[in-house]
Amino acid sequence: DAEITQSPRHKITETGRQVTLACHQTWNHNNMFWYRQDLGHGLRLIHYSYGVHDTNKGEVSDGYSVSRSNTEDLPLTLESAASSQTSVYFCASSLRTENSGANVLTFGAGSRLTVL
Amino acid sequence: AQTVTQSQPEMSVQEAETVTLSCTYDTSESDYYLFWYKQPPSRQMILVIRQEAYKQQNATENRFSVNFQKAAKSFSLKISDSQLGDAAMYFCAYRSGPSNFGNEKLTFGTGTRLTIIP
Repeated sequence: DAEITQSPRHKITETGRQVTLACHQTWNHNNMFWYRQDLGHGLRLIHYSYGVHDTNKGEVSDGYSVSRSNTEDLPLTLESAASSQTSVYFCASSLRTENSGANVLTFGAGSRLTVL
Repeated sequence: AQTVTQSQPEMSVQEAETVTLSCTYDTSESDYYLFWYKQPPSRQMILVIRQEAYKQQNATENRFSVNFQKAAKSFSLKISDSQLGDAAMYFCAYRSGPSNFGNEKLTFGTGTRLTIIP
């Protein structure tokens, strides 16, 4: 069965370290997204990609980067982790078609990151 | 930019009763889609229901239905015959319609935590 997997599911790191969260989907979806979830803020968009070599900034992109070298993967990198980046991170994907408005996002299980 | 507002951080309902979760949004677009997602304690995001703005008929999925008021920019979720398994965080979300091809990201509200009282 097709799926979207995130790793690691839990990670504890220290301030200033580089961290990469992996996202891998086997849906053959062209769209991929990274969101962070914080209490009182809901889900906020960090970065997104509409295809290979395409990346775009979301509303909370500072301190994060992504790259899309193939269809399946969109890793999220925190160049220098900060305590404010302690959060639950969700990767999601969707299929882009001519009439893709009703196409839903498929979410990964989330990655909980703690920055000490 | 579009915004989505959920003004009820927490709600509770007796098992088997009906509860309505509120959502309002702000947009200048006429063509868009609205969604309700459920997030149980497992943290998995699950689509509950979706509504196309051009459809006047309110969407329904079993015990879940919406009251879509386009002029008022309101999109509430009604859960009938509430069950213990309905306990979760519920998120309302907005995305632009197909006329804005290429703008396929979702904007989420802050969520409503629903508790089911046995």
